[in-house]
Amino acid sequence: KAGVTQTPRYLIKTRGQQVTLSCSPISGHRSVSWYQQTPGQGLQFLFEYFSETQRNKGNFPGRFSGRQFSNSRSEMNVSTLELGDSALYLCASSLGGLIELGDTQYFGPGTRLTVL
Amino acid sequence: AQSVTQLGSHVSVSEGALVLLRCNYSSSVPPYLFWYVQYPNQGLQLLLKYTTGATLVKGINGFEAEFKKSETSFHLTKPSAHMSDAAEYFCAVSDLGAGGTSYGKLTFGQGTILTVHP
Repeated sequence: KAGVTQTPRYLIKTRGQQVTLSCSPISGHRSVSWYQQTPGQGLQFLFEYFSETQRNKGNFPGRFSGRQFSNSRSEMNVSTLELGDSALYLCASSLGGLIELGDTQYFGPGTRLTVL
Repeated sequence: AQSVTQLGSHVSVSEGALVLLRCNYSSSVPPYLFWYVQYPNQGLQLLLKYTTGATLVKGINGFEAEFKKSETSFHLTKPSAHMSDAAEYFCAVSDLGAGGTSYGKLTFGQGTILTVHP
C-alpha cells in the first residue's frame, strides 16, 4: 500500500506571496492532519480534516488555512508569507477515529518551504 | 492541555550499548503516548504507542517503552544500539481539542537526537 505523499517536496517563495501544499493520504484513510516543524518551535499541530470538514485546529493565525476534497486529498494554504513561515510542513493520515481508541497517524515526507 | 518533555536534546551511545531516551508527560486525563523516529529529510515513522492495557509496549526495530503513571514517564529503550538507529526521536501525547476530542492532534516533545558511535 502506498504511503502518504506530499507535493512539492521543496518550495522557495518570497515574503508576501502565498503558497499551496498538497497531501495525498494512504488509500482508505479519511483523516488528514497538518503539522509545522521548525528548529525553534518543534512540531506544532495546524489542523485536521475528516470528510471535508475541519474537526480540530491549532493556534495558528488565519493566514494558514486548509481544505479537504471528496477523495480525502488535502491542501493547505499560507497567504502573505513571512520569513518565520519557513519550515518543514508534514501531513499525516489516519482512518479518522479517536487517537485514544487506537487511531494511528502515518506521516508523509514533508514539504520544505523556504521564505526569502 | 497536555504536554511532553524530553530530557536531553542529544544522546550519544556506542554501538551495542543500551539506548535510553527519556520522556515525561503532563496530562489531566489518561494519556495516550507515542514514540516516533525521524531520519534526515524524511517524515516521522511510528515506533510504538501506548493507549490502554499492558504498560510495557514493544515496537519496531527492537525498541520498547514502559508507561509509568506514578512517574508520568514513557521512556524509550533498546538493549543494543545499532548504527542505523541514529536519528531524531520524538515523544508525543494525544491532545484534546476544544471539543474534548483528540482528532488528529498530537503534542510533541522537542526531540532527542541519537548518535551512535562505532
